Amino acid sequence: GDSVTQKQGQVTLSEDDFLFINCTYSTTTYPTLFWYVQYPGQGPQLLLKVTTANNKGISRGFEATYDKGTTSFHLQKASVQESDSAVYFCALVDRGTNTGKLTFGDGTVLTVKP
Amino acid sequence: DMKVTQMPRYLIKRMGENVLLECGQDMSHETMYWYRQDPGLGLQLIYISYDVDSNSEGDIPKGYRVSRKKREHFSLILDSAKTNQTSVYFCASSLYQDTQYFGPGTRLLVL
Repeated sequence: GDSVTQKQGQVTLSEDDFLFINCTYSTTTYPTLFWYVQYPGQGPQLLLKVTTANNKGISRGFEATYDKGTTSFHLQKASVQESDSAVYFCALVDRGTNTGKLTFGDGTVLTVKP
Repeated sequence: DMKVTQMPRYLIKRMGENVLLECGQDMSHETMYWYRQDPGLGLQLIYISYDVDSNSEGDIPKGYRVSRKKREHFSLILDSAKTNQTSVYFCASSLYQDTQYFGPGTRLLVL
């Protein structure tokens, strides 16, 4: 079945640091890929989405590129702010099975110190 | 304003009691989902509903059942709750199984 791997459980940065969160995936078809962000006490909310038609997603200063060759979908931001502190989830939906099932990684907790 | 609501937000139950979690959405989305979130385990899919009375098991359906009698409402039922069902439960909805919009969650504690 589909799987999503986020190896970094926790990332701690200072304001204005560069952010890189690793995400790799495994699926039998070409998925649509998502990054969701979850703030304390809230549900996950969409940060960005990338399909096979457009290889890169950009939102609120965050960027992720869909690399079919390495099956990776890393999240980057040039300069983080304290308000970016949250849990970030990589996820995919397999278009081939048409179930709408979203497979999540385990999440990366980002802490940005002022 | 697109919104997914969940009631109640917090719930404490004793083992063996029945639990009803409710979810609503105002976007006319045909597909709705229930997930649970435990520390270190991300989100796990319990059930998917493709429309009224069209429900499908997710990855961890055991101990749960669902009901969808109106497109805008989706209920999760725990018959005889167990302590290992203590978790945070999220409802989500999507249009044509695309981007999912999540509710704020229900924190359930089963004693």
